[in-house]
Amino acid sequence: SQQGEEDPQALSIQEGENATMNCSYKTSINNLQWYRQNSGRGLVHLILIRSNEREKHSGRLRVTLDTSKKSSSLLITASRAADTASYFCATYLNTGGFKTIFGAGTRLFVKA
Amino acid sequence: SQTIHQWPATLVQPVGSPLSLECTVEGTSNPNLYWYRQAAGRGLQLLFYSVGIGQISSEVPQNLSASRPQDRQFILSSKKLLLSDSGFYLCAWNEGPNSPLHFGNGTRLTVT
Repeated sequence: SQQGEEDPQALSIQEGENATMNCSYKTSINNLQWYRQNSGRGLVHLILIRSNEREKHSGRLRVTLDTSKKSSSLLITASRAADTASYFCATYLNTGGFKTIFGAGTRLFVKA
Repeated sequence: SQTIHQWPATLVQPVGSPLSLECTVEGTSNPNLYWYRQAAGRGLQLLFYSVGIGQISSEVPQNLSASRPQDRQFILSSKKLLLSDSGFYLCAWNEGPNSPLHFGNGTRLTVT
């Protein structure tokens, strides 16, 4: 079963608007990561946030983590058409091994 | 800098035929290596991971196997492909628990 679940499954916005994607997970984590995937390509890492961190920024991206609610959000500000892609959250589990488990993703479409 | 190579990019194979997908990493030593599979429009399913030569952990019992004959080489194999093996296969590496995954460009496998 999926460890992380993204919400919404799909999001369509106008260029210049902000896009917010949410991720919920089930078990204790070491860190949570967000990735982007353009159609038919490999995933590209965006941000990694550790379990003892609450917020991280990278350019137009802001990630928050609430371990008490087992949830995270990714905010893309001032979106551009080039931001159109699928976005995945992934959790690195605390349960041993080296497992990074992905959610089903949010498909973002930014209209020019 | 580190790079990851995955080939072939696309592959069409008949049911019952063997499979060998190869992934190599350059510019780092003793990476953790991963094979994921992605069904159309879905998230990533972890298939195998390896923390060292000859060390393979399997996440999902199935028709596939993995091997790591050299430090930076990871191979995904099958003796007899099934229709259900069709999908997008992604190889990835990282340095350890709090480091992001770096993905190859993937192999689109269609079993006919």
